[in-house]
Amino acid sequence: DAGVIQSPRHEVTEMGQEVTLRCKPISGHNSLFWYRQTMMRGLELLIYFNNNVPIDDSGMPEDRFSAKMPNASFSTLKIQPSEPRDSAVYFCASSLAAYNEQFFGPGTRLTVL
Amino acid sequence: SQQGEEDPQALSIQEGENATMNCSYKTSINNLQWYRQNSGRGLVHLILIRSNEREKHSGRLRVTLDTSKKSSSLLITASRAADTASYFCATVSGAGSYQLTFGKGTKLSVIP
Repeated sequence: DAGVIQSPRHEVTEMGQEVTLRCKPISGHNSLFWYRQTMMRGLELLIYFNNNVPIDDSGMPEDRFSAKMPNASFSTLKIQPSEPRDSAVYFCASSLAAYNEQFFGPGTRLTVL
Repeated sequence: SQQGEEDPQALSIQEGENATMNCSYKTSINNLQWYRQNSGRGLVHLILIRSNEREKHSGRLRVTLDTSKKSSSLLITASRAADTASYFCATVSGAGSYQLTFGKGTKLSVIP
């Protein structure tokens, strides 16, 4: 298996633009997580999906953030409109069960100018 | 809010020495996990220890868990330059919980 795949790896955009981050979890994993990592706040859970259903989105910072999981092999995290404070590394992770070990993707480094 | 707090924040050792990192947490847990993150990369799972376990080994890694003190330690023996990375502990609280709560990590530098 190729592991968790994220795209793009790097994204530079201007304030106000829409940003879409993509994730392909490991086949057979039923839990998917989106995290954000910054120096100031460390790793923060944004949203958790179980069997493609959003279970907990309490970590999504604002209405500007939205996430979808239309099927078991694909998820998106969208920021619209983006702001400079959204600059961070965004990770997607998947696991066989929510409390088990998580497998992380390589991350998307987002820079909003 | 953070559950795990790693100590020290940074650690620098010579190749061949052992490295010990500690993690303290606040509430009861289902399990505790350690992850490694190389610079610019995603996190890699190292080891999971359940609340009813006291010690676990994996290669050069040894993890202990003391639930009475709400603490865990990660020992890397005979360190190598390739072990240079940040190490995070993460806790899963209670049965049925899904959220991994990460600490801010220990940055380990192994000098060749």
